[in-house]
Amino acid sequence: DIQMTQSPSFLSASVGDRVTINCKASQNINKYLNWYQQKLGEAPKLLIYNTNNLQTGIPSRFSGSGSGTDYTLTISSLQPEDVATYFCLQHSSRPWTFGGGTKLELK
Amino acid sequence: QVTLKESGPGILQPSQTLSLTCSFSGFSLSTSGICVSWIRQPSGKGLEWLATICWEDSKGYNPSLKNRLTISKDTSNNQAFLKITSVDTADTAIYYCARTNWAYGFDYWGQGVMVTVSS
Repeated sequence: DIQMTQSPSFLSASVGDRVTINCKASQNINKYLNWYQQKLGEAPKLLIYNTNNLQTGIPSRFSGSGSGTDYTLTISSLQPEDVATYFCLQHSSRPWTFGGGTKLELK
Repeated sequence: QVTLKESGPGILQPSQTLSLTCSFSGFSLSTSGICVSWIRQPSGKGLEWLATICWEDSKGYNPSLKNRLTISKDTSNNQAFLKITSVDTADTAIYYCARTNWAYGFDYWGQGVMVTVSS
């Protein structure tokens, strides 16, 4: 199985800050990397698919980058509504596997 | 608008069979390229993909639980199902279903249903 190591596990930032979250795969996942946002009590929401493709309706302050084994989610200017848990998914190789999640809070 | 909603027994006893239903709207499981998956998250732990079923009835299972899982679908009624046999306390989790595309991963998720295994 491909192991996904996500960092940091917790992140505290201020409104307007640039925030980055990372996922590292145990092997090359060929950009088959998605990012999701999950707010308390809500369904997870797809933000970015295949490394850098913004899902329809997602604000442009969210972006993704990476290749090979290393991937990054960036929020260019943190907004209060971005408080949530974020997690990555690799869908390059079955079984598909997830990062451990990053809980993002406002400072 | 794509929506999915999971339903289950809430609580069951060790060794019983867990039966989950995913009821969805806004898409059809008869459409080429469309699949539905089950994913779970034990409290305080990470997400785990369990199984996927696709429009042409192909199925995929997580090898770590494969012998205990059965996924199926009712295309006419827009539902997908998951059975897990011989449950124990380690199967206590929130169970999600999600629309799936092999090229794009899970794109829409349900809110999840909590399942507790306890004697």
